[in-house]
Amino acid sequence: NAGVTQTPKFRVLKTGQSMTLLCAQDMNHEYMYWYRQDPGMGLRLIHYSVGEGTTAKGEVPDGYNVSRLKKQNFLLGLESAAPSQTSVYFCASSYGMTLRGSYNEQFFGPGTRLTVL
Amino acid sequence: AQTVTQSQPEMSVQEAETVTLSCTYDTSESDYYLFWYKQPPSRQMILVIRQEAYKQQNATENRFSVNFQKAAKSFSLKISDSQLGDAAMYFCAYRSPYSGAGSYQLTFGKGTKLSVIP
Repeated sequence: NAGVTQTPKFRVLKTGQSMTLLCAQDMNHEYMYWYRQDPGMGLRLIHYSVGEGTTAKGEVPDGYNVSRLKKQNFLLGLESAAPSQTSVYFCASSYGMTLRGSYNEQFFGPGTRLTVL
Repeated sequence: AQTVTQSQPEMSVQEAETVTLSCTYDTSESDYYLFWYKQPPSRQMILVIRQEAYKQQNATENRFSVNFQKAAKSFSLKISDSQLGDAAMYFCAYRSPYSGAGSYQLTFGKGTKLSVIP
């Protein structure tokens, strides 16, 4: 079981370039999430998905797009990168709706460090 | 919207001693979940301990325990017999049982950097 994996681990972009971050999970989780982590800010939710083919905006969605074409994959896209998007990006996944008492904890990937010059 | 506050940006503890990290949160919900995550230099987010609001008993996981004060909206983490490997960023997180769209999203505090002195 690989858990949650992210590709790539590091990336440097120039302003205006585009890229896609790939997240994959092998735990058959329904829910997947993309967070960004900035110094002194904790983790903030960018977008999330509650199932294949569905996505929704989180706290800081501007400048990002996502797609969930397959249950196990969740892609995060930057169409025109900006220096403000320099950050560490984390993907996470969890089970879906559960009964009371289930923590439905999120499992995190190792993160991607993105630098936009 | 819920908020999570960690008022100690940095803390230090002597090896083998005990340290307590503070976390407070603001919510109008009566049932919710609270978590502490550890982030070592490797960057991996590791779940340390969790607590459901309707359970009055404080959670314990080996050397890690919490002091959950629901009325005060406080959720502190106690690390006993601190070890060098405990040095990391620690994040407190809140999750609603249901958040409209059913996202189960986590709201994180800004973190506390813990150093362990040999």
